[in-house]
Amino acid sequence: DAKTTQPPSMDCAEGRAANLPCNHSTISGNEYVYWYRQIHSQGPQYIIHGLKNNETNEMASLIITEDRKSSTLILPHATLRDTAVYYCIVRYSGANSKLTFGKGITLSVRP
Amino acid sequence: GAVVSQHPSWVICKSGTSVKIECRSLDFQATTMFWYRQFPKQSLMLMATSNEGSKATYEQGVEKDKFLINHASLTLSTLTVTSAHPEDSSFYICSAVQAGVYNEQFFGPGTRLTVL
Repeated sequence: DAKTTQPPSMDCAEGRAANLPCNHSTISGNEYVYWYRQIHSQGPQYIIHGLKNNETNEMASLIITEDRKSSTLILPHATLRDTAVYYCIVRYSGANSKLTFGKGITLSVRP
Repeated sequence: GAVVSQHPSWVICKSGTSVKIECRSLDFQATTMFWYRQFPKQSLMLMATSNEGSKATYEQGVEKDKFLINHASLTLSTLTVTSAHPEDSSFYICSAVQAGVYNEQFFGPGTRLTVL
């Protein structure tokens, strides 16, 4: 599986948009970009995924560059409960396809 | 949405005993489940891939005789830590794959194991 690189941490003010970057320059053509988050002492929570088009759901938006070498997860109105470690992972869609977790980015939302 | 449960949520045991952790997909069937381990301040590390009705596939460095995995039904996988020692103390997390176009993985809440 291709690797991803993320900054170690970032913070944002409550109510503002949080833009979390991710680089995946070696992504293969049929690998998807997945985002999960892990709040302290809980299991990871699925957020969103995409292949090449931008995606939006009730939690976030995912913007993937045209060359697919990087992406940005956008939390439009961050709240204190969004404080977590966010993982950007590339993965094939097969059932046995593994999720390889890197160190992720720690997002701290300040009041 | 897809819900995955784990039981117990936490367990404390004496060194040398065995501990069983259950992972259940509550509202979908999961042919494939994964088991992860997470030490404090570290990321999740995949231990093994569990496929219903067949032997688990272990990642390099994970002792299959120590971490026994049984995936006997489409909604249940178990991880048994045999002869647990303090260094096995960790946060164990399972995920279950919801079959479909994307085969998304949904995670359980985790089990905190402390071996005294």
